[in-house]
Amino acid sequence: EVKLEESGGGLVQPGMSVKLSCATSGFTFSDYWMEWVRQAPGKGLEWVAEIRNKANNYATYYGKSVKGRFTISRDDSKSIVYLQVNSIRSEDTGIYYCTRLSRNYVMDAWGQGASVTVSS
Amino acid sequence: IQLTQSPSLLSASVGDRVTLSCKGSQNINNYLAWYQQKLGEAPKLLIYNTNSLQTGIPSRFSGSGSGTDYTLTISSLQPEDVATYFCYQYNNGYTFGSGTKLEIK
Repeated sequence: EVKLEESGGGLVQPGMSVKLSCATSGFTFSDYWMEWVRQAPGKGLEWVAEIRNKANNYATYYGKSVKGRFTISRDDSKSIVYLQVNSIRSEDTGIYYCTRLSRNYVMDAWGQGASVTVSS
Repeated sequence: IQLTQSPSLLSASVGDRVTLSCKGSQNINNYLAWYQQKLGEAPKLLIYNTNSLQTGIPSRFSGSGSGTDYTLTISSLQPEDVATYFCYQYNNGYTFGSGTKLEIK
């Protein structure tokens, strides 16, 4: 069974940093591109970041609203993907989902989400 | 590419045929998927490549479309279909629509 489980969310003060983790199991993690998608309270879904696999040189890509502040990384030996969020802002509040990108380039497996609340 | 979903809210009766729309600001070349998100849950993939049903999804869900205009159809609405439905394009980057909230009348 494919599983993705996020951790590391919580209450964060504006301007501070937080690192989210996503532990995975049930599939060959190293083969897949991994994504982070977020959802502000009561809003829609926003793609945040992508990290490709070793065959694609671990290339990373970011959404316009987070570029320069967010860093995605992965540890294939542990089957974990990370999202480092720096200089956090109130508009970064939301649920952060870790997802797997299938061979069809759709996000076919999702974690349950990690909640991040930015407030002083 | 921006995606516009309509309607934003849809109320229908059990057994109804329901149609949700998604329109792209540019040609999506059939790289269009649909997700279902129930309250408090993560999104679930229903349809990909416009009309391919994801494994385990009931056959009452179907997708169609081309170019900039795409549709998700539920042939016979069931109570468990209450959710928000998002379209998603992967032709050029990754973009989600704003969602259609589906309720039972």
